[in-house]
Amino acid sequence: GAGVSQTPSNKVTEKGKYVELRCDPISGHTALYWYRQSLGQGPEFLIYFQGTGAADDSGLPNDRFFAVRPEGSVSTLKIQRTERGDSAVYLCASSLGESGTEAFFGQGTRLTVV
Amino acid sequence: GQQLNQSPQSMFIQEGEDVSMNCTSSSIFNTWLWYKQDPGEGPVLLIALYKAGELTSNGRLTAQFGITRKDSFLNISASIPSDVGIYFCAGTDKLIFGTGTRLQVFP
Repeated sequence: GAGVSQTPSNKVTEKGKYVELRCDPISGHTALYWYRQSLGQGPEFLIYFQGTGAADDSGLPNDRFFAVRPEGSVSTLKIQRTERGDSAVYLCASSLGESGTEAFFGQGTRLTVV
Repeated sequence: GQQLNQSPQSMFIQEGEDVSMNCTSSSIFNTWLWYKQDPGEGPVLLIALYKAGELTSNGRLTAQFGITRKDSFLNISASIPSDVGIYFCAGTDKLIFGTGTRLQVFP
């Protein structure tokens, strides 16, 4: 597709369960970013990929969070042992290059942990 | 860590008025981006700034990248109701977002 695609758009899960959130970046974009956004807050940086490798994962809150991008395109954000505090909108963005050129966002995945 | 502070936090203006909002950082950024976010949507890119001192326009929007690379402003002229939303600045390389400015426009 033409834009960044995130699936699912909504996910409800029980506390303690494992979830995976998927991001399909714009074709040809080498940089991919994951963010978490709580209500009324700005997007909070989680992790940034350049190609297949995580260039900066300093925003991941703890070791329950992990993200992969094995072929340098699609990325999956994985959350283990989900907690109610993980409830948020998870946003993905992609851009052409390493120097932080214009990044374009998907619609986000709204995660609710009950 | 890197932080971007935006001001004001929120603005309530009449349709037709001009708007100005600022973003300051404790760190130098190579690129500044301004985004607008509507409820339930991802942020949409408005303007990108690449050079210190650069002034860029996009329709009714004008943004400038500060000489020190630690600040930027966004101006919106002749506001209209569809300008309502939250405006974020962001700095690269790893695309850190500011705290946001919520804009309300009254007819």
